[in-house]
Amino acid sequence: DAKTTQPTSMDCAEGRAANLPCNHSTISGNEYVYWYRQIHSQGPQYIIHGLKNNETNEMASLIITEDRKSSTLILPHATLRDTAVYYCIVTRPHNAGNMLTFGGGTRLMVKP
Amino acid sequence: DAGVIQSPRHEVTEMGQEVTLRCKPISGHDYLFWYRQTMMRGLELLIYFNNNVPIDDSGMPEDRFSAKMPNASFSTLKIQPSEPRDSAVYFCASTAGQGDTGELFFGEGSRLTVL
Repeated sequence: DAKTTQPTSMDCAEGRAANLPCNHSTISGNEYVYWYRQIHSQGPQYIIHGLKNNETNEMASLIITEDRKSSTLILPHATLRDTAVYYCIVTRPHNAGNMLTFGGGTRLMVKP
Repeated sequence: DAGVIQSPRHEVTEMGQEVTLRCKPISGHDYLFWYRQTMMRGLELLIYFNNNVPIDDSGMPEDRFSAKMPNASFSTLKIQPSEPRDSAVYFCASTAGQGDTGELFFGEGSRLTVL
């Protein structure tokens, strides 16, 4: 699976959009970009995933660059409950049972 | 569905004791994963099962660790004998596997402290 690079930490004001970047320059053609988050003391939670088109769901939007070497997770109106560690993972979804390898992630702090 | 259920939520034991962690995956899911999380090493995949069969246990740290899945609705992770460095949060996760979105569903974790 391709390696990802994320900033260690970010701050965001409550009510503003949180834009979390991820670099995955070695991504291959059949690998998807997945985002998970882990709120303190809880198990990781799936947010969204995409291949090459931008995706949106009730939690967030995922913007993938045309060359697919980077992506941005957008939380449109961050709340205090969005404070968590956000993991960007690149993998093939149907490969060996969707194994996910978690890196260090980005610790997002939403401030009042 | 109640989601992935893990027990116990917290376990405190003394070095040398046997520890058994339990997991009930989401009904219908074909894959089950055991992860370990520590401050130093983050989230590590220990082992995963497909249709109750262990597929990859390369992440299991050593012979003191063993995992079983006797049926589709139950798995155990056993540490015998336990050591202080085994202190961590252990997560179980399941997914439907082939043909699905690739989303892993995680339990709330079992926090293990070995004194």
